[in-house]
Amino acid sequence: AQTVTQSQPEMSVQEAETVTLSCTYDTSESDYYLFWYKQPPSRQMILVIRQEAYKQQNATENRFSVNFQKAAKSFSLKISDSQLGDAAMYFCVGGSEKLVFGKGMKLTVNP
Amino acid sequence: EAQVTQNPRYLITVTGKKLTVTCSQNMNHEYMSWYRQDPGLGLRQIYYSMNVEVTDKGDVPEGYKVSRKEKRNFPLILESPSPNQTSLYFCASSLGNSPLHFGNGTRLTVT
Repeated sequence: AQTVTQSQPEMSVQEAETVTLSCTYDTSESDYYLFWYKQPPSRQMILVIRQEAYKQQNATENRFSVNFQKAAKSFSLKISDSQLGDAAMYFCVGGSEKLVFGKGMKLTVNP
Repeated sequence: EAQVTQNPRYLITVTGKKLTVTCSQNMNHEYMSWYRQDPGLGLRQIYYSMNVEVTDKGDVPEGYKVSRKEKRNFPLILESPSPNQTSLYFCASSLGNSPLHFGNGTRLTVT
């Protein structure tokens, strides 16, 4: 069975600072994908970043980057230069044919 | 505009009164899925469909039905809703291993 674990239910960061959100996963699949989704108060689910498991290079999208440690089954998200608009629930998601969601982490950005 | 459209956005109903939440996508995606989101539990998959006339149970299928008669539509049916089905529901679609595109969610309250 696939599992995705986000161990920190809440975090806070000062505006302009850097924060790292942790995620671990477990899967028996050899080919899988990992994602981070953001859910602001509007409750929309917004894709933040995507990582293919077969790629060694860590994905980056502007201020967002991941640290993908395949052997450790770790997939953390780093947000640089945090902005007030980054405040949201963040979900780590993984899988291949079937995607499994972590329970989410609430990020607060303090001005 | 490429999108997943869910209706209604809000629904209040009474126990036992059959309801349908509609989901439609205009991206010709083969994969469609329904999730429910509850506080502290993340998103849990109810049913998914790999293509027309192909549906399968997710992690929490009890009390729900789906159908996939056309590629674009994937309605979620609650034959006899109960209060424990009060939740936020999301429909999503994707093509192959591309990221999920989500609808805007349906807030269902069953009294």
